[in-house]
Amino acid sequence: DTAVSQTPKYLVTQMGNDKSIKCEQNLGHDTMYWYKQDSKKFLKIMFSYNNKELIINETVPNRFSPKSPDKAHLNLHINSLELGDSAVYFCASSKDGGGIQETQYFGPGTRLLVL
Amino acid sequence: RKEVEQDPGPFNVPEGATVAFNCTYSNSASQSFFWYRQDCRKEPKLLMSVYSSGNEDGRFTAQLNRASQYISLLIRDSKLSDSATYLCVVNSANTGFQKLVFGTGTRLLVSP
Repeated sequence: DTAVSQTPKYLVTQMGNDKSIKCEQNLGHDTMYWYKQDSKKFLKIMFSYNNKELIINETVPNRFSPKSPDKAHLNLHINSLELGDSAVYFCASSKDGGGIQETQYFGPGTRLLVL
Repeated sequence: RKEVEQDPGPFNVPEGATVAFNCTYSNSASQSFFWYRQDCRKEPKLLMSVYSSGNEDGRFTAQLNRASQYISLLIRDSKLSDSATYLCVVNSANTGFQKLVFGTGTRLLVSP
């Protein structure tokens, strides 16, 4: 059984389009995250939610809007896609987000290519 | 200066070799430390947490030096399956929630 799943796995789209990436975890965790891994393989936190509430919001353009309909889901909507948005987007979850030694479990990633 | 710095490698070693990776971090208030492993085109996975006293898990030993803000990972008796990118990770949150900051990773290639 997949613990953290993301759809779609691959996403190829044109500049200016709006797209969404979905994430679901079946681990019963309270905290979920979105990360971006760029072409240089640098992995950076974008957002985190705890029990559907926004906890971390890094300096991400407001074209990126996360939505957490329930604590098992954290979706990422991106408006007006730009070339620089091309990257791998990873969703992750952790048990309650408050343990400093907690493990984060990552989804398989969504490879976004903006043409 | 990046918050977490690692030598990108690649480190090319033969099977059976011992290899060590180093990492430095800039935020002295960081509370917890980890090594994650990322295989090519896969997601990162926790390899081990790093404790001040040092800790060992089989062939892997992690050390933390808070005074020097330095973290290390030692892999003994390297296997072909150890080939991957090793990510040094620091929890830099000053709240009750984790905010993980990743290094750019050190690539390891183990050859027969």
